[in-house]
Amino acid sequence: KAGVTQTPRYLIKTRGQQVTLSCSPISGHRSVSWYQQTPGQGLQFLFEYFSETQRNKGNFPGRFSGRQFSNSRSEMNVSTLELGDSALYLCASSLAGDRVQYFGAGTRLSVL
Amino acid sequence: AQRVTQPEKLLSVFKGAPVELKCNYSYSGSPELFWYVQYSRQRLQLLLRHISRESIKGFTADLNKGETSFHLKKPFAQEEDSAMYYCALLTGNQFYFGTGTSLTVIP
Repeated sequence: KAGVTQTPRYLIKTRGQQVTLSCSPISGHRSVSWYQQTPGQGLQFLFEYFSETQRNKGNFPGRFSGRQFSNSRSEMNVSTLELGDSALYLCASSLAGDRVQYFGAGTRLSVL
Repeated sequence: AQRVTQPEKLLSVFKGAPVELKCNYSYSGSPELFWYVQYSRQRLQLLLRHISRESIKGFTADLNKGETSFHLKKPFAQEEDSAMYYCALLTGNQFYFGTGTSLTVIP
């Protein structure tokens, strides 16, 4: 079974731009969560989607948004990028009813 | 409010020595706790979860509700245990991760 796939792996953007990251979960997994990972803060929860609905949202500004499609693939969008948005963005999927999260390799975003 | 605290950012032990990675949580309900590990150049992956009450790669973790702790222990550290370890608390459908402990096992 293929693992969680995140694209692209690396991104370089400038301040003020917007970016879209993509996540394809493991086949059969309907829950997708997004995290921001930075050296100082560790993993911080962004949001979680299940069956195209956002079930939970972390404490991030409205510039961070997401969505999930009917095939469970998810996208995350960050608008008006700031330097502090530079981080590794991780996506994780899980089976409905199971609590174990399976992580992707992440997208490394650098904002210049 | 910080839900999961891992007080040690860095931890070094000698091969064969016991190792304990500390994790404390704050949650008034019934907690569901996990340890995730990230080896060098690999993805973050589940190490163990408290409801399984099993030993994985020689590691165990016991939930202590009185002390609100879920420390990870191994009696004899191996070089391949060197990695980043994250404690995680699940409440509802949301995970709270600690800031992680980087474990180095010295040969």
